[in-house]
Amino acid sequence: GNSVTQMEGPVTLSEEAFLTINCTYTATGYPSLFWYVQYPGEGLQLLLKATKADDKGSNKGFEATYRKETTSFHLEKGSVQVSDSAVYFCALFTGTASKLTFGTGTRLQVTL
Amino acid sequence: EADIYQTPRYLVIGTGKKITLECSQTMGHDKMYWYQQDPGMELHLIHYSYGVNSTEKGDLSSESTVSRIRTEHFPLTLESARPSHTSQYLCASSEDHLAGGYEQYFGPGTRLTVT
Repeated sequence: GNSVTQMEGPVTLSEEAFLTINCTYTATGYPSLFWYVQYPGEGLQLLLKATKADDKGSNKGFEATYRKETTSFHLEKGSVQVSDSAVYFCALFTGTASKLTFGTGTRLQVTL
Repeated sequence: EADIYQTPRYLVIGTGKKITLECSQTMGHDKMYWYQQDPGMELHLIHYSYGVNSTEKGDLSSESTVSRIRTEHFPLTLESARPSHTSQYLCASSEDHLAGGYEQYFGPGTRLTVT
């Protein structure tokens, strides 16, 4: 079956630090990959996505590249802000399962 | 901008009460979902629907029930609330994936506390 593994949190960084949140996956078929973000007290929002190998998704300074050879989709940002403090979920979708499979989420805390 | 709404946002209720959590979307999406999010943040799919009069149980067993009488409306009901039902409940919707609708749009959630 499909599964997503994310690095454990919480991740605590100082403002302007470089961020990496690791995500690896196991899937049958050819999944589409997503990063969702959940700010405190809110639902999830799509942050970025990639639908095929070597695609790079990007949004709000965040990037992730679909690496089929390493089955990974790591999230990166060059300079985090306090406003980036949130929980980040990696997810995949396959037509076979026809629903999203989420990782367990990684909490990011950015301090001044 | 996604238009998916959940009410109430917060609910504190006593054990044994019947409750209904409302979810509505104005995007005309066929697919709708309910997730339960535990305090450790992990999301568990508890119900989903592929269209009117279609409902399925998700990956996590739940004592709740759902209905889908109208495309835009997907309420979740607990006949007799218990403290173990205390959680955050998130509703989501998406287009059919055959139309390229992989993205799910989430509502703001209902935080339920059963005392």
